[in-house]
Amino acid sequence: GQNIDQPTEMTATEGAIVQINCTYQTSGFNGLFWYQQHAGEAPTFLSYNVLDGLEEKGRFSSFLSRSKGYSYLLLKELQMKDSASYLCAADPAQFYNTDKLIFGTGTRLQVFP
Amino acid sequence: DADVTQTPRNRITKTGKRIMLECSQTKGHDRMYWYRQDPGLGLRLIYYSFDVKDINKGEISDGYSVSRQAQAKFSLSLESAIPNQTALYFCATSDLTSGRAGELFFGEGSRLTVL
Repeated sequence: GQNIDQPTEMTATEGAIVQINCTYQTSGFNGLFWYQQHAGEAPTFLSYNVLDGLEEKGRFSSFLSRSKGYSYLLLKELQMKDSASYLCAADPAQFYNTDKLIFGTGTRLQVFP
Repeated sequence: DADVTQTPRNRITKTGKRIMLECSQTKGHDRMYWYRQDPGLGLRLIYYSFDVKDINKGEISDGYSVSRQAQAKFSLSLESAIPNQTALYFCATSDLTSGRAGELFFGEGSRLTVL
């Protein structure tokens, strides 16, 4: 079956670093995605990993290990506006990208002053 | 103005009523999707369309139908609404030619309540 696991909730302090983990089990694999969703709003794309390693984009970085079925999103220098849900999603396609993503249930991050 | 527009944004209806949620986009993308989001269950794919002549079921299509009237328009219908279809519904688009696979652009969402 297809399964994506991520913690339900996390808390952190403004200025700190937080790592949100995601593990996945899919029939095939064509990339791991992270989306950010503020309460009451639409999800917005953050990052995409298809090869092993770390992708850095400003304060946000995303890591992928295909052999372990594992990814994490690293948020540095946390700001209050980073309080949101972070959705991990995988493309389970075998040979080509289908964009039919399977989403995890999301990790709700609360940043405190 | 939003690139992906959903109407209505909020709707309360009664069991057994027919409901249509509409989605239009100005991004020029071929691929369009309908997802529903429920607390604790995440986003689940209902239907998707890769072009005007292509309609495909997602993981939870029972009780729903769709119509791709044009490249820019993709509507979701509930023929006879039931309370467990109460959810937040998102339309999304993606661009096959962008080179950034899986980057979905979501509408603002349509909150549907079935009493």
